[in-house]
Amino acid sequence: DQQVKQNSPSLSVQEGRISILNCDYTNSMFDYFLWYKKYPAEGPTFLISISSIKDKNEDGRFTVFLNKSAKHLSLHIVPSQPGDSAVYFCAAIKAAGNKLTFGGGTRVLVKP
Amino acid sequence: EPEVTQTPSHQVTQMGQEVILRCVPISNHLYFYWYRQILGQKVEFLVSFYNNEISEKSEIFDDQFSVERPDGSNFTLKIRSTKLEDSAMYFCASRVDTADNSPLHFGNGTRLTVT
Repeated sequence: DQQVKQNSPSLSVQEGRISILNCDYTNSMFDYFLWYKKYPAEGPTFLISISSIKDKNEDGRFTVFLNKSAKHLSLHIVPSQPGDSAVYFCAAIKAAGNKLTFGGGTRVLVKP
Repeated sequence: EPEVTQTPSHQVTQMGQEVILRCVPISNHLYFYWYRQILGQKVEFLVSFYNNEISEKSEIFDDQFSVERPDGSNFTLKIRSTKLEDSAMYFCASRVDTADNSPLHFGNGTRLTVT
């Protein structure tokens, strides 16, 4: 099941710079997209989301962009901080749906 | 901030044994979920539960699996006869409703090791 894909398994970025995480999906029925952050030995923590009727949602240092025609979304973290080092999962859900479909995750390392 | 709690954090069991993984969802949440993550693989949906019944389940959730909400606070996942391939992190999640702006909140997981 490759409905949600994160093609970059890892990303390394310098503290203070921008982190850009990408996610592609294939199912046009997905209506709502979420990003989760996961530290080792913890569960995924909700970060930010976007509805398919929008193309951008911003929350502090985190911005999610959605290109519906390309079935692509991205998460921008500006400025990146060492505490942002974690695995980031993209997830999608269908309209009135009940379950999240996750991507494979991108491990981000922010170097001081 | 309210959180989903899971016990135990680590469970080791022998193949063929039954295990019960326990979860306490956030108190005002109505939808409950189990997901799992096999080491190095994706987080996979197992089952969702609403109004005391399963609302959706994946192909993984076969007859060896069952879920129960035995009282007003606990939500359990039972694996009747564990197999080696059941070794994974099991995450419980809850959600207040199915509105678009209602994300799933996850617990810290139970690491199940089947030997």
